[in-house]
Parts: sequence; structure tokens; C-alpha cells
Amino acid sequence: QKEVEQDPGPLSVPEGAIVSLNCTYSNSAFQYFMWYRQYSRKGPELLMYTYSSGNKEDGRFTAQVDKSSKYISLFIRDSQPSDSATYLCAMVGNQGGKLIFGQGTELSVKP
Amino acid sequence: EAGVAQSPRYKIIEKRQSVAFWCNPISGHATLYWYQQILGQGPKLLIQFQNNGVVDDSQLPKDRFSAERLKGVDSTLKIQPAKLEDSAVYLCASSLDPYTQYFGPGTRLTVL
Repeated sequence: QKEVEQDPGPLSVPEGAIVSLNCTYSNSAFQYFMWYRQYSRKGPELLMYTYSSGNKEDGRFTAQVDKSSKYISLFIRDSQPSDSATYLCAMVGNQGGKLIFGQGTELSVKP
Repeated sequence: EAGVAQSPRYKIIEKRQSVAFWCNPISGHATLYWYQQILGQGPKLLIQFQNNGVVDDSQLPKDRFSAERLKGVDSTLKIQPAKLEDSAVYLCASSLDPYTQYFGPGTRLTVL
């Protein structure tokens, strides 16, 4: 079993839709949870990160962490064609250490 | 502020040949990482440097991969000899802390 599981998609939505991206994990030591966006032929770009459980909002993006269920989500409101990319979740423990990435979900937002 | 620079951007080699990648991190970032990203997968850490020293190289195939960080700044990653399964994007990242890593554009390696 992988430490971090993420549905690879692809996920296709119409412009303006609310997008929900999810990851599950098995290691209860993870405390920091990140979401990266990766455009084709580019390096990953950090969107946001959260510590422990709870929600964090940044513009059209909301990250949620439910440590009791070992489940994290990223919501994108009013999705735009420019949001079309692969979204990677990543996580790490309190002591630092290796950042463990999910497989990535490929998102396509159609005009 | 300049981002993480990597070169070359693309490289095609025959199996059993050698190849080297170069990374220049963001100025002042003490920590530098090399990741391997195989098509359709998330990045996997190969090696982490803190200044000049290696923090974690547990997933580096040491029989063929080597890496060094010169004077705590630039870094090179070398593969010798390359295998077909080494075809991937090699990403360099740098950071001031483990939670906010900045990635370069990557080097896309194709081994024929």
C-alpha cells in the first residue's frame, strides 16, 4: 500500500464548476499537508499548505485536512481554464524528513 | 527573486551512457533536493542536501547515481551508466524549510 493515494483522473469539468481533489494517507505521523500545481512541462508550484487538521482558504482555493480519517481535500471554486494542470498532494511529518507526494490528479477545465 | 535554475532542459542518451544535470538554487536557500518524476507519478526524493552535507540519500541508486553540492550552492546529479528505466524528469528544488519547497523546471531525460 502506498503511503499517499491520489486518484490520477483525468478529471474534466466545465468552466465555473467547483472542483474537489482528494488524497488519502496511511502514516499518522504526517502533520504538514501541501498542494502543488504542475503545468505541463513545468516544475510543481506550491499552492498552499496546512498544519494538522482544519481548513485554509486562499482566494478560490480551500484546503481541508481531516486527520481522523487520514483524508485531505482541495476545493477550487469558479474554476477557470487556466486551472487546467496536474494537482499533487504532498505531506511530511513534524520533524521534517521526506516530502511524500501523491500520484497527482490531472484536471481539465473546459471553456 | 530568481527561481531555481536547471540545465539542460532536455537530454536524450543511449543506455549505458552517462549524463549530468546541473541545478542552481534560490539564493540563500540552504536545503537542496533532487527528485525523480516518472511519467504519471508524483516526484520521488533522490537526495537532500543541507548546505554541503547529505541529509537523506536513502532512495538514491548509489551504484549508478551520484550527486554533489559545490560550496553549498550549485549541485550536479550524475547517472552512469544510464538504464532505460531512468527515463524521467529530474527536478531540483530548494527551500528554507521543509514545507515550502521551490521547484525548478526540470530536466527531461530520455534513455533509448
